[in-house]
Amino acid sequence: DSGVTQTPKHLITATGQRVTLRCSPRSGDLSVYWYQQSLDQGLQFLIQYYNGEERAKGNILERFSAQQFPDLHSELNLSSLELGDSALYFCASSVDGAGMTDTQYFGPGTRLTVL
Amino acid sequence: TQLLEQSPQFLSIQEGENLTVYCNSSSVFSSLQWYRQEPGEGPVLLVTVVTGGEVKKLKRLTFQFGDARKDSSLHITAAQPGDTGLYLCAGAGLGGGADGLTFGKGTHLIIQP
Repeated sequence: DSGVTQTPKHLITATGQRVTLRCSPRSGDLSVYWYQQSLDQGLQFLIQYYNGEERAKGNILERFSAQQFPDLHSELNLSSLELGDSALYFCASSVDGAGMTDTQYFGPGTRLTVL
Repeated sequence: TQLLEQSPQFLSIQEGENLTVYCNSSSVFSSLQWYRQEPGEGPVLLVTVVTGGEVKKLKRLTFQFGDARKDSSLHITAAQPGDTGLYLCAGAGLGGGADGLTFGKGTHLIIQP
């Protein structure tokens, strides 16, 4: 158990819909990262937040957005869903997220299926 | 865009054998990490290498970072069924983390008893 929690574990929805994935970081960690893992693309970095502020941005689509709240939990919002958005979405957290060498602890993931 | 190529993509060997998996790029990374991921779980960090030519050992696992910091290898001695999993390498660019970690697609390793 990494100490990072993600809900829900599974999510099935239809194309065009909007969903919200939730992540609670390890106690004391200020940085939260979101990743997407699919069979063809592998694990891809989406976005990082540090203490409520966006710190780094990766291959995140404009249809996707994220935020980190004052209690440090984070949400990833996916809208206008397409079949290709079906994937595993992981959240990770680290103490401060400086320079990307900070150890990241991954949650168990949310499996999103878009029908 | 920095890319990491991992090879082989799949590897199935018998318990007790040795193996090496590779992680290569045309880009220079400030650091490189190796993770292991088991089905239904998130990746777990095994090691971080920072200095070109660095070698780190973790029990039966030996990690090496290339001199030019463009490639890395993971060698497992006397593989055991518990080593089965997806091994991922991830690199941090020279931009101080502004682009996030770049992951390879992984090596699926199966150790048969």
